[in-house]
Amino acid sequence: EDKVVQSPLSLVVHEGDTVTLNCSYEVTNFRSLLWYKQEKKAPTFLFMLTSSGIEKKSGRLSSILDKKELFSILNITATQTGDSAIYLCAAPNAGGTSYGKLTFGQGTILTVHP
Amino acid sequence: NAGVTQTPKFRILKIGQSMTLQCTQDMNHNYMYWYRQDPGMGLKLIYYSVGAGITDKGEVPNGYNVSRSTTEDFPLRLELAAPSQTSVYFCASKAGPQETQYFGPGTRLLVL
Repeated sequence: EDKVVQSPLSLVVHEGDTVTLNCSYEVTNFRSLLWYKQEKKAPTFLFMLTSSGIEKKSGRLSSILDKKELFSILNITATQTGDSAIYLCAAPNAGGTSYGKLTFGQGTILTVHP
Repeated sequence: NAGVTQTPKFRILKIGQSMTLQCTQDMNHNYMYWYRQDPGMGLKLIYYSVGAGITDKGEVPNGYNVSRSTTEDFPLRLELAAPSQTSVYFCASKAGPQETQYFGPGTRLLVL
């Protein structure tokens, strides 16, 4: 059974701090790993990682994948209160199909205080 | 272009009642998904569809049914609501197997 595990489950920081969120996975026929940010409503897409060691960046957010260790991290530098959200990590299920059913981790609840 | 829309936003049901959660996308996506999200549990896949007329079970299908008569619509049916179905339900769609999923705003359901 495919599994995605995130840590920590929750994190409280102050504005300006740097945070690192972790995601480990066990997925048959791994293709990619995705990061989403969820504020009050629906998850919004952040990154899709397919290659090991290549960092994806978007402003203060960056993410990298280690396919040998089955691990990904999401970094947020100079955090702002607007970064407060649940961060979800997910991996598409394989099994010979391309239906892209996602297995999600539990999520990390990030709270940034002013 | 509205993307993925869901109705209602919030609903309270009594045990044993039935209802349909609506999901519509206007992006001509073939792939559509229903998830439920419980606190601290991430998202769990209920049902999915790879095109009109084709549906299949996800991780947690018991107590739910779906249909996909058109590309745009993917309603989720609860026949006999139970307290365990209290959750937030998200519908999502994507164009193809390698594409990113786009999520609707969610429906919060409370079964009492």
